[in-house]
Amino acid sequence: EIVLTQSPGTLSLSPGERATLSCRASQSISSSYLAWYQQKPGQAPRLLIHDASSRATGIPARFSGGGSGTDFTLTITRLEPEDFAVYYCQHYDSSSPMYTFGQGTKLEIK
Amino acid sequence: QVQLVESGGGVVQPGRSLRLSCVASGFTFSSYGMHWVRQAPGKGLEWLAVISYDGNNEYSADSVKGRFTISRDNSKNTVYMQMNSLRAEDTAVYYCTKGYGVFDYWGQGTLVTVSS
Repeated sequence: EIVLTQSPGTLSLSPGERATLSCRASQSISSSYLAWYQQKPGQAPRLLIHDASSRATGIPARFSGGGSGTDFTLTITRLEPEDFAVYYCQHYDSSSPMYTFGQGTKLEIK
Repeated sequence: QVQLVESGGGVVQPGRSLRLSCVASGFTFSSYGMHWVRQAPGKGLEWLAVISYDGNNEYSADSVKGRFTISRDNSKNTVYMQMNSLRAEDTAVYYCTKGYGVFDYWGQGTLVTVSS
């Protein structure tokens, strides 16, 4: 079973700063099945990035994803007030098939 | 636009059963796999189960295997989650989602509270 570990647990930044969130897999995974979600309090998660680096429909260009193998990142270039939320990475193991989430990174206003 | 609307949540005693429903609209329901994902209070997301577009294949997480069953009725654009032998640790918001490999649309969730 693949485990996704996100870091840091909490990231404190100010609007306008750059945020870099990490997602590390316990073994090498296909980039085709690595996604990122944003969740605000009281709301359902929203898909941001799929296939590790492709933005979902309607997602602003300040959000970008990257990485391969076991290490993946979500970068938000210039934080807007509405970006402060919890972010989850997710992987799909087509051989199982199983879906796994990381434990989340809370991005909070400093 | 795509809409997923869950219902059926509520307060239930340990050991009892509950059936959740999710009505879909805005896309060709019978062409997509559907999932249930849950989130315990203050915790992260946990994938529970998936059912194929035609209902012929289903897979579930080990944590609910044997207790929870996913099903669908394509004539009603509805996916279900039958939850049996409920435990306190099943208390969560339950989301219906669609997609293959990723979850591209989510419902607003329905809260299930297991308590005596």
